[in-house]
Amino acid sequence: DTAVSQTPKYLVTQMGNDKSIKCEQNLGHDTMYWYKQDSKKFLKIMFSYNNKELIINETVPNRFSPKSPDKAHLNLHINSLELGDSAVYFCASSRTSGDTQYFGPGTRLTVL
Amino acid sequence: RKEVEQDPGPFNVPEGATVAFNCTYSNSASQSFFWYRQDCRKEPKLLMSVYSSGNEDGRFTAQLNRASQYISLLIRDSKLSDSATYLCVVPNSNSGYALNFGKGTSLLVTP
Repeated sequence: DTAVSQTPKYLVTQMGNDKSIKCEQNLGHDTMYWYKQDSKKFLKIMFSYNNKELIINETVPNRFSPKSPDKAHLNLHINSLELGDSAVYFCASSRTSGDTQYFGPGTRLTVL
Repeated sequence: RKEVEQDPGPFNVPEGATVAFNCTYSNSASQSFFWYRQDCRKEPKLLMSVYSSGNEDGRFTAQLNRASQYISLLIRDSKLSDSATYLCVVPNSNSGYALNFGKGTSLLVTP
């Protein structure tokens, strides 16, 4: 049983396209997150949702839009993809905000 | 001072060695801290939580010095399988909801 799952695992697409990454957690956690890990391996928070409500929205272009249909899911939609969006995107969840976070396997996005 | 700072390494040590990593943080109000481990092309995984002065789990010991605002991770009797990047994690000073991840310290244990 996978605790935090993401799909797809790999995503290769052209500049200008729109794509979505899905995340689901079966841990019963209240809080979910999206992180971006760039080529320099720095892991940076993008968004956080607590019980389907947005609680963190770091300085991220508005081409990135998270959506949480319920507290077990947090999807990430990206419009008009750019070369600089190439990175690994990790979803995570925690029992409550600020608690230990459990990560999904990551989605490796490559924009050509 | 940055939110979280770590020596990036790499630390190259022989099997059986003892190695220590340090991490400094800026949020003096932080109460909980974490060390995560990240293997190449994998997701970060929790190694240890640190809530008081320190924590020990087998070969791994984490210590917290609140006065100097640093956390250390000590690995005794290093194994080849300990090779990974170790991430120091501290609550964000602007929001208790977020965790700030350090850039990680790379460890390579050699035969």
